[in-house]
Parts: sequence; C-alpha cells; structure tokens
Amino acid sequence: DAKTTQPNSMESNEEEPVHLPCNHSTISGTDYIHWYRQLPSQGPEYVIHGLTSNVNNRMASLAIAEDRKSSTLILHRATLRDAAVYYCIYCRSNFGNEKLTFGTGTRLTIIP
Amino acid sequence: DTGVSQDPRHKITKRGQNVTFRCDPISEHNRLYWYRQTLGQGPEFLTYFQNEAQLEKSRLLSDRFSAERPKGSFSTLEIQRTEQGDSAMYLCASSEGGYSNQPQHFGDGTRLSIL
Repeated sequence: DAKTTQPNSMESNEEEPVHLPCNHSTISGTDYIHWYRQLPSQGPEYVIHGLTSNVNNRMASLAIAEDRKSSTLILHRATLRDAAVYYCIYCRSNFGNEKLTFGTGTRLTIIP
Repeated sequence: DTGVSQDPRHKITKRGQNVTFRCDPISEHNRLYWYRQTLGQGPEFLTYFQNEAQLEKSRLLSDRFSAERPKGSFSTLEIQRTEQGDSAMYLCASSEGGYSNQPQHFGDGTRLSIL
C-alpha cells in the first residue's frame, strides 16, 4: 500500500499561513498526490490534488517538490474552522479503482 | 448536489446481531467506496463499486461482511454476527467516473457500537 509520512501534530496562530509537510518517497511517476481533511464527527473532505506542478484552489495551495518525493499543503490564512486532521495520500489508479490509503495524518490546532 | 448520505448515523447493537448500513451517493457518480475508521486512525479501504459491479474487496472484509449496489445507485453494507472488533465508523464515498483522480466525496459515516 502507498504510504506517506506526516508530523503527528502542528499548531498555528489564527490568520497566519500554515505549511503542512508530507513525505512520499515511494511515489511513482503516475501517482497523484491528494490532500483531504477531516473535522470532528465528519467524513473526510477533499482539499486539493496534483501531479507535478504546484496547484491552487479556493481552499489551499499544493507545492510539489521537483523530485516529487515530498509536498507541502499551504493554507494561506488559517481560521479556526481549519482545525482538523489533514491527510496526505498518493493514489494509484487500478482499472478505475482509486482507493485512498490514509495514514494517521497531521492534527492541526489553530490558536486564536 | 445534495452530497453523500449515510443512514443511520449511529447504530448500537449487541454482539452477534446483524446490522445493515445504507449509502446514497451523489447522483450520477458511478464509483462508490466503503471505508472503515477506528479511533485515532485514518480510514481504511473496504470495497469498491463501479456502477453495480463490486470490483475490489479488501482483506479486511471478512466473510461476515457483504456489500451490494443494486442498479448502480445506493449501496448497502451488511455485517453478520457482529463482534466487538467491528465497532468503528463506516464511511461511504463516491466519485465521478471517466477521468482519473476525481475527488472522492464522503458521507459523515455510520458509527457502529457493539455492546
């Protein structure tokens, strides 16, 4: 199974940028990098994904290292609602089956 | 887009009983996944449907577990003769077909507690 490595927890001040790192040294050339987050008592929520280039959307930015062995999720201005567990996943498609292999993620705490 | 709906949200049952959960995916999503999540862990893949066909089952899915997706719409997950170790959150997700790496949309899960 595809494995990633993330810090167990991080803290950030409200309204500050947050950089969440992830290592995925066994990623192959066609695997996409996905980020999901999970708020308490809810199912995971898609955040962003990418292959090689940096990606931006309304929620976050994804910076992917040139060798693709690591990536960083960037929340530009953290709010209290961003407090969640963030999962970094790389996904291999197998005849349309794109099951996600979650690790234990990074628990992000936002300090008011 | 009303999101993925799961029913019930909570289920408490005695060991040895059978339970069934339902998942209604986003309409026209032809991929459907079931995951299980225990406390402090990330979700683990259980099974995958492409339309009505069940194409992959995890080793986690013992013979006591069965999943169906008749007509490629809603799905059910049944657990027979429940055991203490089945206590977990059961999550359903759906995604569009056609293109790879479509985001998966998750429901808020069914929390199963075995007494």
